[in-house]
Amino acid sequence: EVQLVQSGAEVKKPGESLKISCKVSGYTFTNYWIGWVRQMPGKGLEWMGIIYPGDSDTRYSPSFQGQVTISVDKSMSTAYLQWSSLKASDTAMYYCARRLLGYCSGGSCRTLYVFDIWGQGTMVTVSS
Amino acid sequence: DIQMTQSPSSVSASVGDRVTITCRASQDISSWLAWYQQKPGKAPKLLIYAASTLQSGVPSRFSGSGSGTDFTLTISSLQPEDFATFYCQQANSFPPSFGQGTKLEIK
Repeated sequence: EVQLVQSGAEVKKPGESLKISCKVSGYTFTNYWIGWVRQMPGKGLEWMGIIYPGDSDTRYSPSFQGQVTISVDKSMSTAYLQWSSLKASDTAMYYCARRLLGYCSGGSCRTLYVFDIWGQGTMVTVSS
Repeated sequence: DIQMTQSPSSVSASVGDRVTITCRASQDISSWLAWYQQKPGKAPKLLIYAASTLQSGVPSRFSGSGSGTDFTLTISSLQPEDFATFYCQQANSFPPSFGQGTKLEIK
């Protein structure tokens, strides 16, 4: 069974650093992109960025570029999302998700920015 | 960036009803649109991608259509477990973007 299991809820103070994790199982970690999505309390979904564990190629949404760092540990089949200095506005639920491998139709295939399997989410609360 | 706009923002319906949710892109995204369902306290779940391709395991009462800038998600006969918030997402260009969500409530 394909699973993405995220680390537990965190409560931090502004200015602190944090690294949350997403451990995958049930498939070859290095073959699929893994992304992160933010959901602030009572709000919608925001696409943050994505990483390819095979070579650590990473792409960030402009809104999150420079605000967070996405990384992987291939030996642990785990992806990470980290902050160097948290702000109260980082309070949110964070989801990791696996990118759909591809879409094929009429003999041609392409990749899509679609997530087919999601982790359960990690709630991050930043408060003084 | 491509903006995605869903309508309505919320809708009330009864079990057995047919419901349609609309999503509009600010520019042509061909057929590269996905729909997700999110229940309270749970992670989103992929329902449909490439505008009309049903994800494995998703009931056939869900269907998607559209291309270009206008898309729809239809639930043919609402079941009790369908009440949730639905999001569209353009999957055509970087960065991907979600609609603001449509909350489907029980009437």
